[in-house]
Amino acid sequence: SQTIHQWPATLVQPVGSPLSLECTVEGTSNPNLYWYRQAAGRGLQLLFYSVGIGQISSEVPQNLSASRPQDRQFILSSKKLLLSDSGFYLCAWSHLGREKLFFGSGTQLSVL
Amino acid sequence: GENVEQHPSTLSVQEGDSAVIKCTYSDSASNYFPWYKQELGKRPQLIIDIRSNVGEKKDQRIAVTLNKTAKHFSLHITETQPEDSAVYFCAASIEGFQKLVFGTGTRLLVSP
Repeated sequence: SQTIHQWPATLVQPVGSPLSLECTVEGTSNPNLYWYRQAAGRGLQLLFYSVGIGQISSEVPQNLSASRPQDRQFILSSKKLLLSDSGFYLCAWSHLGREKLFFGSGTQLSVL
Repeated sequence: GENVEQHPSTLSVQEGDSAVIKCTYSDSASNYFPWYKQELGKRPQLIIDIRSNVGEKKDQRIAVTLNKTAKHFSLHITETQPEDSAVYFCAASIEGFQKLVFGTGTRLLVSP
């Protein structure tokens, strides 16, 4: 069966520090991969999605970037965090060609 | 791009009552409409979905209706139970594009 791993679960970072959140999927190949941010009153906001290695689509101009160095690995990064980057970040995957999303357990990021 | 609006933001009902959550979407090309449930501290999970070729779909106590002309769809939960308490998200996408746009969420509280 397929599983998705996302870490860390919680993270407290100072303003201006870098960020790296990692997500990996097991038990499938060629998945679509997604990063969402969940903020109060704004639902689940799509940040990035990827349909293959090295293929990243950005949905919202921001201080963040994403990379997919391997088929089942998706990384969310920032060179310098802003206060507004605080939130709950969710990684998700879907089968290629399918819309059903399977979410990771999320990372609660607090930028202070 | 697609924009999905969801109402109400919070909904309180008594156990056994029905609950209805409504969503509207902007892109007439959207043809896939899922609903996700997120229990407190857990990841969102798909509970039901509907495609544009049908107007209604049921699964035990939950049902979803779609009105493509008006560009709105609704989630109906009958005989609510305390374990139905959660945040519910609607979403819309264009089949094949594999990119879900979510609503802002509805916090449902079912009181015993």
